[in-house]
Amino acid sequence: DADVTQTPRNRITKTGKRIMLECSQTKGHDRMYWYRQDPGLGLRLIYYSFDVKDINKGEISDGYSVSRQAQAKFSLSLESAIPNQTALYFCATEDRAYNEQFFGPGTRLTVL
Amino acid sequence: AQSVTQLGSHVSVSEGALVLLRCNYSSSVPPYLFWYVQYPNQGLQLLLKYTSAATLVKGINGFEAEFKKSETSFHLTKPSAHMSDAAEYFCAVSVPYSTLTFGKGTMLLVSP
Repeated sequence: DADVTQTPRNRITKTGKRIMLECSQTKGHDRMYWYRQDPGLGLRLIYYSFDVKDINKGEISDGYSVSRQAQAKFSLSLESAIPNQTALYFCATEDRAYNEQFFGPGTRLTVL
Repeated sequence: AQSVTQLGSHVSVSEGALVLLRCNYSSSVPPYLFWYVQYPNQGLQLLLKYTSAATLVKGINGFEAEFKKSETSFHLTKPSAHMSDAAEYFCAVSVPYSTLTFGKGTMLLVSP
C-alpha cells in the first residue's frame, strides 16, 4: 500500500462549489504539506502543518483552508472553487531527520 | 528568502547521450539542495539531496549532482540517458527552519 494517499485522484466541479481534498499517510511523520502544481510554475506551497495543533499558511493560501484531523490526516478545502484553482494538487509528508519529503500521487482538480 | 532557477524548461537528448540539467540557487545561509523527478501521472520522487556533507552527491538511477558554492549551482547529470529517464525534474532548496522552495521544472525528452 502507498505511504501517502490522496482522494479523490480526479475531480471535476463547478464554480462556487465547496470541495475537499483528502490526504492520509502511514509514514508516521509529523510534518505534512499541500502544494499545487501548474504547468511552467513548478510546485507552490499552499499550507503546511508541523503537528496536529500547528497550521501555517504557505505562499498561495488565499481561497484555501486546511484541517489536520490527526497525525495521519491533512485535508485541503476550497470553500468556493473558481476556475483558476484548476491544477494538480499534491500532499507530502516530511521526515525531519533526513530532510526528505514524500509525495502522494496527486489530485487533478478541474473547476468549470 | 531562498530561491532556485532551473535553466531550460525543456531539454532534449538522444538515448545514450549525456544528461545535464541546470540549477542555480540563491540563499543567504548554507542551503540544503534537492532534485526530484516526476514521471507522468505520478507524484514527485526524491532523486538525490545535498545536506552539507560530500559536495558530489550520487542518487538513484545513475544520476548525480555536484554542489558548487562558488557558482551557486547544483546541476544534475547522468552519463548516458535512457528512454525511461524521460520525465520532469525539479530542483529545490531549503534552509533550516524554512520550507522547501521548488524551481519551475525541466522536462527531459529522450529520443531513440
